[in-house]
Amino acid sequence: EVQLVESGGVVVQPGGSLRLSCAASGFTFDDYTMHWVRQVPGKGLEWVSLISWDGDSTYFADSVKGRFTISRDNSKTSLYLQMNSLRSEDTALYYCAKGRSSSRYDSFDIWGQGTMVTVSS
Amino acid sequence: DIQMTQSPSSLSAFVGDRVTITCRASQSIANYLNWYQQKPGKAPKLLIYAASSLQSGVPSRFSGSGSGTDFTLTISSLQPEDFATYYCQQSYSTPFTFGPGTKVDI
Repeated sequence: EVQLVESGGVVVQPGGSLRLSCAASGFTFDDYTMHWVRQVPGKGLEWVSLISWDGDSTYFADSVKGRFTISRDNSKTSLYLQMNSLRSEDTALYYCAKGRSSSRYDSFDIWGQGTMVTVSS
Repeated sequence: DIQMTQSPSSLSAFVGDRVTITCRASQSIANYLNWYQQKPGKAPKLLIYAASSLQSGVPSRFSGSGSGTDFTLTISSLQPEDFATYYCQQSYSTPFTFGPGTKVDI
């Protein structure tokens, strides 16, 4: 079964750091671009970041650029999101999503269940 | 950044109705347009990719059309399980952007 399972979401103080993880299974992980997408409860979807299949290319939303880092370990079939200098507006449910192909310009065909990040003092 | 708009923001419909949702991009995105369905408490689900290609396992009552800046998602005969929020998303250029969503309810 193709599956993505996120973890690492907690309550953190403003200015703090957090690393989210996404464990992938059921597909050849290093064939695909991977993404992080977030959603404030009750609101819409916001794309956060992507990483190419080989980890050589990364892209970020302007709202997180310079604060977040995306990485992957293909040997562990895992995706990561390092979040620094967290702000209250980063509070959201964070989804890991698989690109439908190796191209970064494609849809997201598999999503995890999400992990909740709350930034609050 | 490419801005995505959707209309209507919500609609009420009956089982069996034909439903059409429109998505517009602020600049041409060719056919790099995808549609997702999200039910409360669940992750989004890919329905249509590349404007008109049906994702594997998605019922054929869902269809997509359009290119350039104007796109539509059509549900030919609304079923009870189709009541959800629908989002369009452009994958033409980063930052990838989603529309604000269209909530379909009874």
